[in-house]
Amino acid sequence: NAGVTQTPKFQVLKTGQSMTLQCAQDMNHEYMSWYRQDPGMGLRLIHYSVGAGITDQGEVPNGYNVSRSTTEDFPLRLLSAAPSQTSVYFCASTPRGRTGELFFGEGSRLTVL
Amino acid sequence: AQSVAQPEDQVNVAEGNPLTVKCTYSVSGNPYLFWYVQYPNRGLQFLLKYITGDNLVKGSYGFEAEFNKSQTSFHLKKPSALVSDSALYFCAYSSGSARQLTFGSGTQLTVLP
Repeated sequence: NAGVTQTPKFQVLKTGQSMTLQCAQDMNHEYMSWYRQDPGMGLRLIHYSVGAGITDQGEVPNGYNVSRSTTEDFPLRLLSAAPSQTSVYFCASTPRGRTGELFFGEGSRLTVL
Repeated sequence: AQSVAQPEDQVNVAEGNPLTVKCTYSVSGNPYLFWYVQYPNRGLQFLLKYITGDNLVKGSYGFEAEFNKSQTSFHLKKPSALVSDSALYFCAYSSGSARQLTFGSGTQLTVLP
């Protein structure tokens, strides 16, 4: 199993550009989520999904969009990038019955100029 | 507001000595509490969790944590620190659906040889 795979690992954008961060998991986990990590602030939940076709907002959803058309994939879209979205983004998945046990990807470091 | 707090940004300990990384919580009802570890340039890894039952929880890599309701704490401990334990440690909680985690700000642990 590859686990949780995120692409790209690094990306530089200009203000106003859009892009998609890809996340795929091969463990058949029903729950997936996106977090951003900023220094001194821990991780903050952006969006999450409890299964294919179902998504919901987390703590900091503004400026981001998600979809979950399959169990495996959970892409995060930045609609119009802003410097405040410079961060490290982590995708995670959780299997049914393993309360709170998140399996994280390696992260995607995004810089918005 | 519900939260977890990690009062120390940085903890230094000598190899072979016991280590403690502190976490306090302010969560109504019966909190679900977690510890995660992050090595440089990696995603977070689950260490242990408290849901209910025995207040002393054992986890991966020889770590344990004690749930203390009267002190609203969930400190992470290890009897004998290793240099390889040097990493960033996060405390987290969940409530409600118990799958959405809220993380503390993190504590950088450095084990000195």
